[in-house]
Amino acid sequence: GAVVSQHPSRVICKSGTSVKIECRSLDFQATTMFWYRQFPKQSLMLMATSNEGSKATYEQGVEKDKFLINHASLTLSTLTVTSAHPEDSSFYICSARDPPNGEKLFFGSGTQLSVL
Amino acid sequence: DAKTTQPPSMDCAEGRAANLPCNHSTISGNEYVYWYRQIHSQGPQYIIHGLKNNETNEMASLIITEDRKSSTLILPHATLRDTAVYYCIVRSYDKVIFGPGTSLSVIP
Repeated sequence: GAVVSQHPSRVICKSGTSVKIECRSLDFQATTMFWYRQFPKQSLMLMATSNEGSKATYEQGVEKDKFLINHASLTLSTLTVTSAHPEDSSFYICSARDPPNGEKLFFGSGTQLSVL
Repeated sequence: DAKTTQPPSMDCAEGRAANLPCNHSTISGNEYVYWYRQIHSQGPQYIIHGLKNNETNEMASLIITEDRKSSTLILPHATLRDTAVYYCIVRSYDKVIFGPGTSLSVIP
């Protein structure tokens, strides 16, 4: 199946700093990618839909100025957590559909963010 | 997208079939049933999907009732590596919304 690569797998940062997470589709082009957040023992929560060449669409309650999403190419979307706080500590996961109008969603391996 | 209901947890003996139920009584005609699973601290993994007919692949079988209001995911010979949270999702297109899922524990 298609491969979605996410980097880094784990990051620790200080409060107030910004952290960038990359999501790459390795062997296919992804016009749309999805970003999820998952707290311990909870399900995945969709944060936003990343659209190549246009603005991301954020789910209700997700701050667009805090979670900056850039989808500058057909194989790369980035999520930047700005001015991170301890409550932003979570597992962040990206996904993409292959082919773009296909039925299967492929997920990255996730990024564990810990804000001190 | 239609809402799904799954039992929060299930146990299954190693080597036996694991049958995971899902209710989706508000499913509409063009919505597919998808199953994903998530092993601890990893990204979800696609398992199988279907519209009306039963489906089988190398990982599992999907049985959808005739009225499409419920379905069952079958892992024919569960192994310890099948211990995971299993998500049943109904969607027509676009974004995928996850419910709480079923935590399956395969017991030696």
